[in-house]
Amino acid sequence: SQKIEQNSEALNIQEGKTATLTCNYTNYSPAYLQWYRQDPGRGPVFLLLIRENEKEKRKERLKVTFDTTLKQSLFHITASQPADSATYLCALARAKNTGFQKLVFGTGTRLLVSP
Amino acid sequence: KAGVTQTPRYLIKTRGQQVTLSCSPISGHRSVSWYQQTPGQGLQFLFEYFSETQRNKGNFPGRFSGRQFSNSRSEMNVSTLELGDSALYLCASSLPGNEQFFGPGTRLTVL
Repeated sequence: SQKIEQNSEALNIQEGKTATLTCNYTNYSPAYLQWYRQDPGRGPVFLLLIRENEKEKRKERLKVTFDTTLKQSLFHITASQPADSATYLCALARAKNTGFQKLVFGTGTRLLVSP
Repeated sequence: KAGVTQTPRYLIKTRGQQVTLSCSPISGHRSVSWYQQTPGQGLQFLFEYFSETQRNKGNFPGRFSGRQFSNSRSEMNVSTLELGDSALYLCASSLPGNEQFFGPGTRLTVL
């Protein structure tokens, strides 16, 4: 069965360091992968989308890599800040132009950035 | 542009009852998806609607149903509530093939 794995243990880092979160998947051939941020009691907020034919995507302090051979995506936050503390979710989908999409989410990794 | 809205935000029901949750997508978004989030299972896909048609359904029992109206607003219904249905129910809207915009969710507690 399809499986998406994210480190269930919280990641603790110091302010200013780079946080790296991992998303591994099995039995899946996604057309694209997305990363979301979720704060307690709120819905997830979209951060970045990377397609199967892209190796890397950047947005401000965020960088995502996508290795379809390793079946892995890495999510980096450079110069991390305490405000980056949240749970980060990866999600995979097989998208079609008709608009159909079924996102399968990982369980998320909690990031804690200490001042 | 207004975001995705969900009503009610909090709901307490007892076992055996039924519940209807509502979602209003972002204007112009025709795709609406529903998810259940629990601490143990994470975010799980319930179903997706596009132009009033259910396009895909997750692995949930038939007690979970939904529909979409011509204005893209969507409702989901859970009948014969069980304790295990206690969760945060999230609705998300999107344009075809794009990122999903989530609402704040409805926190359902089944006693």
